[in-house]
Amino acid sequence: GDSVTQTEGLVTLTKGLPVMLNCTYQTTYSPFLFWYVQHLNEAPKLLLKSSTDNKRTEHQGFYATLHKSSSSFHLQKSSVQLSDSALYFCALRGSSGSWQLIFGSGTQLTVMP
Amino acid sequence: GGIITQTPKFLIGQEGQKLTLKCQQNFNHDTMYWYRQDSGKGLRLIYYSITENDLQKGDLSEGYDASREKKSSFSLTVTSAQKNEMAVFLCASSMGTEVFFGKGTRLTVV
Repeated sequence: GDSVTQTEGLVTLTKGLPVMLNCTYQTTYSPFLFWYVQHLNEAPKLLLKSSTDNKRTEHQGFYATLHKSSSSFHLQKSSVQLSDSALYFCALRGSSGSWQLIFGSGTQLTVMP
Repeated sequence: GGIITQTPKFLIGQEGQKLTLKCQQNFNHDTMYWYRQDSGKGLRLIYYSITENDLQKGDLSEGYDASREKKSSFSLTVTSAQKNEMAVFLCASSMGTEVFFGKGTRLTVV
């Protein structure tokens, strides 16, 4: 079945450093990938989405490129800020239709001063 | 813009109790979802509904019932709360590719 893997549960960085959060997926269908961000006590919000192979998509300083050859959609930022501290989820639109999102286990990013 | 309102924000129940969580959306979206969020396990789908009076089971439906009597509302019932259970239940809605979430109901079972 479809699945999403996020290998890092917790990432701690100093402000100003670059970050990459890993996301790999498994599906037999054409993939549509998403990154959601959830700040403490807030609702998860869409950060990025893509279904186009090898095309970089960007929003709020974050960027990701869908690579179908390696089944990856890693999230990156060149310089993290304190306000980037949050829980980040990678998600895949399920093969059973457009109504289900399958989420990874999430990566908690903490940015230190 | 729209909003998804979940009530209550916090719910404390007793073991074996039947508990109902409510969700309202004013996006006029067709599809609504209930996800459970556990620490370290991501979001897991409990139920979803693609239109009024439709119900589809997700991977985590056992122990839950759902009801979609109106397009704007979607309720979830925990049929028998499990002792020491702690989780956040997230309601969501979508039309097209983007899914919008509510802030969640935090359940604690004592």
